Amino acid sequence: DAGITQSPRHKVTETGTPVTLRCHQTENHRYMYWYRQDPGHGLRLIHYSYGVKDTDKGEVSDGYSVSRSKTEDFLLTLESATSSQTSVYFCAISESSGTHNQPQHFGDGTRLSIL
Amino acid sequence: DAKTTQPPSMDCAEGRAANLPCNHSTISGNEYVYWYRQIHSQGPQYIIHGLKNNETNEMASLIITEDRKSSTLILPHATLRDTAVYYCIVRVDGSNYQLIWGAGTKLIIKP
Repeated sequence: DAGITQSPRHKVTETGTPVTLRCHQTENHRYMYWYRQDPGHGLRLIHYSYGVKDTDKGEVSDGYSVSRSKTEDFLLTLESATSSQTSVYFCAISESSGTHNQPQHFGDGTRLSIL
Repeated sequence: DAKTTQPPSMDCAEGRAANLPCNHSTISGNEYVYWYRQIHSQGPQYIIHGLKNNETNEMASLIITEDRKSSTLILPHATLRDTAVYYCIVRVDGSNYQLIWGAGTKLIIKP
C-alpha cells in the first residue's frame, strides 16, 4: 500500500471554527490531492498540488485552502467550518505524469463532522 | 458530470468470475480508463487502467472494446472480500488531476 497517512482520522467541531487536515506521504510523489466524498456523490476534487508551493483549485474549492511547504505534507484548511463541509475527506498521491498515466493512490480518509 | 455509466448494483457467486461493465461512449482518443474500488468507507483502491489494449494484473483484467466506447473489468475468481463499490473513470492523458467519479457499481459477492 502507498505510504499515505491522514490525520486526524475523525474530528468533530463546531461551526465557525478553523480546521486543518493533514496528509503525509512517504513515497516522494510529486502530486497530491484532496477530495471529499458525500452520500450520493462520487469523490469530488477540492484542491491539488503539483509540487512544493504549487497548488491549484479543483471542482469544489470554495471554503477551502491548502498549503504544501514540503514534498511529504499537504494540508487542507477550512478557515471557518460550516455544516455543509461535514464529509469524508480523502488525500491521494501520484507520481510525476511523465508517462501520462500514473494512477492516484488514496489514504484511509478523515471523517469530519461540523455541528 | 461523470463521463461513464455503470449499473448501480450486481451480484456474483463466490469463486465465479465477476464481470463489471462500463460505458464510456464519449471517450476521446487520449483518455485512459481507470478502475478503482472502495470497500466500506475505506479509501479507494486502484485496480487497473488501460488506453486501448486489454490489460491484466494480479487483481483483475480489463477488456476494452475496439471502438473504446465500453469496457469490462473481470475479477477472475471472486471472493467475499471483493464485495465493494467499483468505479470506472476516464482520465485525460497528461491531466494528472482530472478524475471525474460517478456513483459506481455496488458488487456483492455471495457465498
